[in-house]
Amino acid sequence: EADIYQTPRYLVIGTGKKITLECSQTMGHDKMYWYQQDPGMELHLIHYSYGVNSTEKGDLSSESTVSRIRTEHFPLTLESARPSHTSQYLCASSEFGEQFFGPGTRLTVL
Amino acid sequence: KQEVTQIPAALSVPEGENLVLNCSFTDSAIYNLQWFRQDPGKGLTSLLLIQSSQREQTSGRLNASLDKSSGRSTLYIAASQPGDSATYLCAAINSGNTPLVFGKGTRLSVIA
Repeated sequence: EADIYQTPRYLVIGTGKKITLECSQTMGHDKMYWYQQDPGMELHLIHYSYGVNSTEKGDLSSESTVSRIRTEHFPLTLESARPSHTSQYLCASSEFGEQFFGPGTRLTVL
Repeated sequence: KQEVTQIPAALSVPEGENLVLNCSFTDSAIYNLQWFRQDPGKGLTSLLLIQSSQREQTSGRLNASLDKSSGRSTLYIAASQPGDSATYLCAAINSGNTPLVFGKGTRLSVIA
């Protein structure tokens, strides 16, 4: 089973701040993903990566950006946080079609 | 484009009942189908993975089946318990470098 870590777990921040949500996995998976999920709602894929220096946008338009400089690390950055960014952000990695999720970061932008 | 549908959206059952959650998909050329559990405010926990060459997988009280020809998968939960209350999601991945496609989930409540 993959070990996927997300930090911080909870973040409350003011409008206009730059934030980076961290995601790391220890299993050497090439494929990693970021999802956004509002409470009680469906998952939306916002970014994914199939390896170092490879990133793609997902189905949901997002003002966030991602980078993949190392296999194990897939951070998500918001240059200027807004209240509409308030949500839960879930990171995942996969290998051979089996996907594993981190615990999530709950972001609140005031 | 793959689409995944889960019915019902919500289900409430008394403790001890056996139950079936349904998942349907439009493109039968799937590589894997995966069932997840999500507790409120938490990440997703993988329950069962069925590869395209398999027809079912079992883990404890859970059994998942896959019928590619009809585009359906079911998750069977035996002797349900209040601790089974959660949202259950299924997701399909097609061959090639495509992301998982998720259903919207079934919210299960098991009443003691």
